[in-house]
Amino acid sequence: EVQLVESGGGLLQPGGSVRLACAASGFTFSSYAMKWVRQTPGRGLEWLAYISGSSNIINYGDSVKGRFTISRDNAKNALYLQMNSLTDEDTAVYYCARDLFDLWGQGTLVTVSS
Amino acid sequence: QAGLTQPPSVSKGLRQTATLTCTGDSNNVANQGAGWLQQHQGRPPKLLSYRNTNRPSGISERFSASRSGNTASLTITGLQPEDEADYFCSAWDMRLSTWVFGGGTKLTVL
Repeated sequence: EVQLVESGGGLLQPGGSVRLACAASGFTFSSYAMKWVRQTPGRGLEWLAYISGSSNIINYGDSVKGRFTISRDNAKNALYLQMNSLTDEDTAVYYCARDLFDLWGQGTLVTVSS
Repeated sequence: QAGLTQPPSVSKGLRQTATLTCTGDSNNVANQGAGWLQQHQGRPPKLLSYRNTNRPSGISERFSASRSGNTASLTITGLQPEDEADYFCSAWDMRLSTWVFGGGTKLTVL
């Protein structure tokens, strides 16, 4: 089955860090660029980061540049998002998505609160 | 960050046609194309169209997308109860070098 499954979310303290993971299956992972997107009730959908299939092209949205790092391990069919210096504004459901937004994971909830 | 503009809500009757709009500018929709996503409550988004008019395999022909200038449109014909959902548009913004989304339109099927 073609799918993406995120993990790693939870309740985190302000200033803390977490690494989200996205496990891909059912397709040739290394052939696809991948993205991270988050969603909040108030701010809707927000694109966070992009990584090409070979990791040679990476870019970030302004709100996370310098705090978040996207990476991938094609041998493990895995995508990652390292999130540092968390604030309450990072509270959201985090999705990984395939390049054209044609495949999404179920999302993982990150809550930043003291 | 700047986003795309969508009406917050649209209501239409069963079996009617709904047209949802998404307005951007020359930096995104007009020159980079737009895509549409459907999201049911508690579920992840699902791609309905990309690059203005392309429909992924498995998406009903009742969903058709188009673009005219700065505005992208999604037309849903023969509305069914399962079409009741939130619909988001998306586009690459070449000035901001970021993907931007609309705020979403909640479609109610009466």
